[in-house]
Amino acid sequence: SQTIHQWPATLVQPVGSPLSLECTVEGTSNPNLYWYRQAAGRGLQLLFYSVGIGQISSEVPQNLSASRPQDRQFILSSKKLLLSDSGFYLCACSKSGYMNTEAFFGQGTRLTVV
Amino acid sequence: GEDVEQSLFLSVREGDSSVINCTYTDSSSTYLYWYKQEPGAGLQLLTYIFSNMDMKQDQRLTVLLNKKDKHLSLRIADTQTGDSAIYFCAERTSWGKLQFGAGTQVVVTP
Repeated sequence: SQTIHQWPATLVQPVGSPLSLECTVEGTSNPNLYWYRQAAGRGLQLLFYSVGIGQISSEVPQNLSASRPQDRQFILSSKKLLLSDSGFYLCACSKSGYMNTEAFFGQGTRLTVV
Repeated sequence: GEDVEQSLFLSVREGDSSVINCTYTDSSSTYLYWYKQEPGAGLQLLTYIFSNMDMKQDQRLTVLLNKKDKHLSLRIADTQTGDSAIYFCAERTSWGKLQFGAGTQVVVTP
């Protein structure tokens, strides 16, 4: 089965600083990859998804960007963090193709912008 | 607005059954899921149902799907304190994008 590694687990960053969260996947190739944000412990919002290397779709306009430099690596970035970027960020993956049955989640990164 | 909607909160007494409801909008959804999130942790898949099924039972969990009304429910029998968590309903759209609801916080009281 797939395993997702997401780090760091917690992060405190000042307003205006850059951000880089990394997620790597083991146990599958060519997965669909996702970044979600959960604000204030509720509501899982899809930020970005990717069906392949270099292919990123953004769901909502925001201060963040995503990249997929390798098949099983998904990076969430920001050049200048805002207070509103605070939240719990979750990386997820699922098998590509029509007959998918499950998505796997990382343990999440709790980001606090101060 | 969100494509998947859930009630936000459910309180249930230990030993009773819990029923969490969800509605979705994408009629082409192929799979529908229930995930559980315990405090400070990621999401864990509880169960899923394929869109051509009406019901799926897995131990204490029963999933009911009304495809006509686009309504999904999760029933937890004999609810325990360890079942206290946030439960997310999700739909898988045509190519594989997962759309989640806002989550239902279930609180189990003694």
